[in-house]
Amino acid sequence: GQQLNQSPQSMFIQEGEDVSMNCTSSSIFNTWLWYKQDPGEGPVLLIALYKAGELTSNGRLTAQFGITRKDSFLNISASIPSDVGIYFCAGLRGSQGNLIFGKGTKLSVKP
Amino acid sequence: DAEITQSPRHKITETGRQVTLACHQTWNHNNMFWYRQDLGHGLRLIHYSYGVQDTNKGEVSDGYSVSRSNTEDLPLTLESAASSQTSVYFCASSESTGMNTEAFFGQGTRLTVV
Repeated sequence: GQQLNQSPQSMFIQEGEDVSMNCTSSSIFNTWLWYKQDPGEGPVLLIALYKAGELTSNGRLTAQFGITRKDSFLNISASIPSDVGIYFCAGLRGSQGNLIFGKGTKLSVKP
Repeated sequence: DAEITQSPRHKITETGRQVTLACHQTWNHNNMFWYRQDLGHGLRLIHYSYGVQDTNKGEVSDGYSVSRSNTEDLPLTLESAASSQTSVYFCASSESTGMNTEAFFGQGTRLTVV
């Protein structure tokens, strides 16, 4: 089936550092979404991207929709302890909401 | 506020039993989805629905069924629970068309099959 390759699988960083993670695919997507999941909770939408080349920010988070439409990245600046969690990318090919998810990046932040 | 709720949050059942997990959304979304989340696999799509009376199989649909009799609910049934179905299950919903295709997730149901 379709796959999104999300990397890295996990990250251990110091508080205050910047974080970068990405997703790539062999298929083209029309929409890229980034979610965060806290322990024991469902994923929560962080950023949605709809156009190739689009760069969108949400506070300390910035995400970009790759020009080729086959990749996306998420940056977190000046990380804080509450950034801890699992971050998922998700891609949508058509106009209906059938998302394909990456396997997640687990972020740990040392105070 | 509109929301999506799952029940129960935790369930322990025996192998071979039929189990139904509930999902209810008040967003009035046409699209609803069921995923399971397992270590090393991320979120995998079980079944989905694009509207009332519409249901479709996802990537890992064997052993599961859904029904959509109204807009708000998409119950997930495990016909005969197996230990391989021990997992965390998430329900999600989204708008049907246009730019608003973001999916909103419930808080999950942790199912243990013993």
